[in-house]
Amino acid sequence: DADVTQTPRNRITKTGKRIMLECSQTKGHDRMYWYRQDPGLGLRLIYYSFDVKDINKGEISDGYSVSRQAQAKFSLSLESAIPNQTALYFCATSDSLAGAADEQFFGPGTRLTVL
Amino acid sequence: TQLLEQSPQFLSIQEGENLTVYCNSSSVFSSLQWYRQEPGEGPVLLVTVVTGGEVKKLKRLTFQFGDARKDSSLHITAAQPGDTGLYLCAGFRSNYKLTFGKGTLLTVNP
Repeated sequence: DADVTQTPRNRITKTGKRIMLECSQTKGHDRMYWYRQDPGLGLRLIYYSFDVKDINKGEISDGYSVSRQAQAKFSLSLESAIPNQTALYFCATSDSLAGAADEQFFGPGTRLTVL
Repeated sequence: TQLLEQSPQFLSIQEGENLTVYCNSSSVFSSLQWYRQEPGEGPVLLVTVVTGGEVKKLKRLTFQFGDARKDSSLHITAAQPGDTGLYLCAGFRSNYKLTFGKGTLLTVNP
């Protein structure tokens, strides 16, 4: 079974709709991240959480919110989706005990299309 | 402004050829990582380099971290079709967040 799972894997929605993307991990890691990937732009950090009570904005947090429901669960919400939020979204985890150069483990991604 | 510049953006070569991908920045990083991403999947870590001037080898892949810890390169010897994918460099600064480059899309033709 995959260590980092994301649901749904694909979603098509309309402008103005509220969307939630979910991420679960079985790695026991304390740190979790949400990224979006756009062609030619690489991966950009949306939000990150270093433990259940810690939530931080990344470089492109506008239009997004997150919830860390438990150590193993980190969800990303789009309160009112817009077409330029069409992208591939990745959740990732890492272990703070691994030190400064900790490896990030990525989920398989969610492809979101906003019409 | 992109903190990490990768070049080339696209690379298409024949099986057996050698290639080098570059990752450059004007900023210093405490460490730098290289990931590979295949279609439909998330990135997977290949290597982490920490010390300026460090060279690491992973079979046919050689990774180098610049002396000033501002740049890195990935060299693949005798590329194979299985090497096809998106190669991403990512740097750590002092805040424990990764900054990714835009990636190099490599295609190795049989």
